[in-house]
Amino acid sequence: GENVEQHPSTLSVQEGDSAVIKCTYSDSASNYFPWYKQELGKRPQLIIDIRSNVGEKKDQRIAVTLNKTAKHFSLHITETQPEDSAVYFCAASWGYGGSQGNLIFGKGTKLSVKP
Amino acid sequence: GAGVSQSPSNKVTEKGKDVELRCDPISGHTALYWYRQSLGQGLEFLIYFQGNSAPDKSGLPSDRFSAERTGGSVSTLTIQRTQQEDSAVYLCASSLPWTGEVGYGYTFGSGTRLTVV
Repeated sequence: GENVEQHPSTLSVQEGDSAVIKCTYSDSASNYFPWYKQELGKRPQLIIDIRSNVGEKKDQRIAVTLNKTAKHFSLHITETQPEDSAVYFCAASWGYGGSQGNLIFGKGTKLSVKP
Repeated sequence: GAGVSQSPSNKVTEKGKDVELRCDPISGHTALYWYRQSLGQGLEFLIYFQGNSAPDKSGLPSDRFSAERTGGSVSTLTIQRTQQEDSAVYLCASSLPWTGEVGYGYTFGSGTRLTVV
């Protein structure tokens, strides 16, 4: 089945620096890759997503890149702020049969932004 | 409704008792998912409902866990004979139907925090 690996598990940066989180996936049929942000004690919330026909997508300070050949995708946060501190999850869609659309999540990256 | 609604928000139960967790998805979202999140851990897939198709139950950890979705809307996750290792936050999510090449992100509910004592 699909397997999603996420690195690093923890990341600490100074306010204003950039942060990069990387994920790899195993299912070549995966075609949808969302990223979720989960603040302490709250629900995961979708922050950005990318589909397999696009190589890069940006939304203000966040961007996601996708390399289908290498089966990896990354989240980039620029000019980090303390409110970016949270756990970030990547996910990849499961592409086969009745489970199409099911998302397999990485184990998460705890990002800490120090003021 | 405006969002995914889960109830109860917190549940404390004695070991061996049965519990039912409820999820009310966003209107029009035919796909519904249950995940489990233990403290400080990732999102563990449990079960997936898509329209009238047979659910994908491949993530259910044991036969003590079951879920149903009535009328294509509200879903109930039932855990029988609860064990301490069942303690976790149970998250429900819903999305628009998966259509070919187009995927949609999930909207998560706030979860039910289950504590088995």
